[in-house]
Amino acid sequence: RKEVEQDPGPFNVPEGATVAFNCTYSNSASQSFFWYRQDCRKEPKLLMSVYSSGNEDGRFTAQLNRASQYISLLIRDSKLSDSATYLCVAGTSYGKLTFGQGTILTVHP
Amino acid sequence: GAVVSQHPSWVICKSGTSVKIECRSLDFQATTMFWYRQFPKQSLMLMATSNEGSKATYEQGVEKDKFLINHASLTLSTLTVTSAHPEDSSFYICSAIPGTGNTGELFFGEGSRLTVL
Repeated sequence: RKEVEQDPGPFNVPEGATVAFNCTYSNSASQSFFWYRQDCRKEPKLLMSVYSSGNEDGRFTAQLNRASQYISLLIRDSKLSDSATYLCVAGTSYGKLTFGQGTILTVHP
Repeated sequence: GAVVSQHPSWVICKSGTSVKIECRSLDFQATTMFWYRQFPKQSLMLMATSNEGSKATYEQGVEKDKFLINHASLTLSTLTVTSAHPEDSSFYICSAIPGTGNTGELFFGEGSRLTVL
């Protein structure tokens, strides 16, 4: 079983749609959680950290449920520029990050 | 934000040659850097953790004699793919954490795309 599992998609949505990505992690020692965005043939870039209390950054909302080891990302009012691969990431106290396989999102006009 | 520079961004080499990839933290000191590998349509897989002034810690299944890591200064780590073969063709990415021992944001280099003919 992979340490971090995501639905690979692809998700194809029209502009303005709301889309949700889910992720589960298996290492109960994980202490930090992130969503990264990766554009084709580029390095990953941090989208947002994920906290148990939930956090929002503009159109993006992330949630963490430690009990069920579940992480989510909600994107509202999708833009064409949101098209990318979204990586769910779990980290340990010594800085090691484990990446999910990524979820591909394509937003079309 | 912090900047990590990786060089070269792409390289093509013949089978059997060695290739060195550099990872530099430009505006912060990084006692720890990480090297990842990403095959097409797959996620990033951690290869090794590079610690300044000490030996790298390799993940299971990664050959330390094939992927030589040197972290001689607080701003530079190098990955050398020795005797490269076509199956080593991949996207290699380094990352670094500003400061020590925290689980904050990782800053990634731009990646190095290696093609072995």
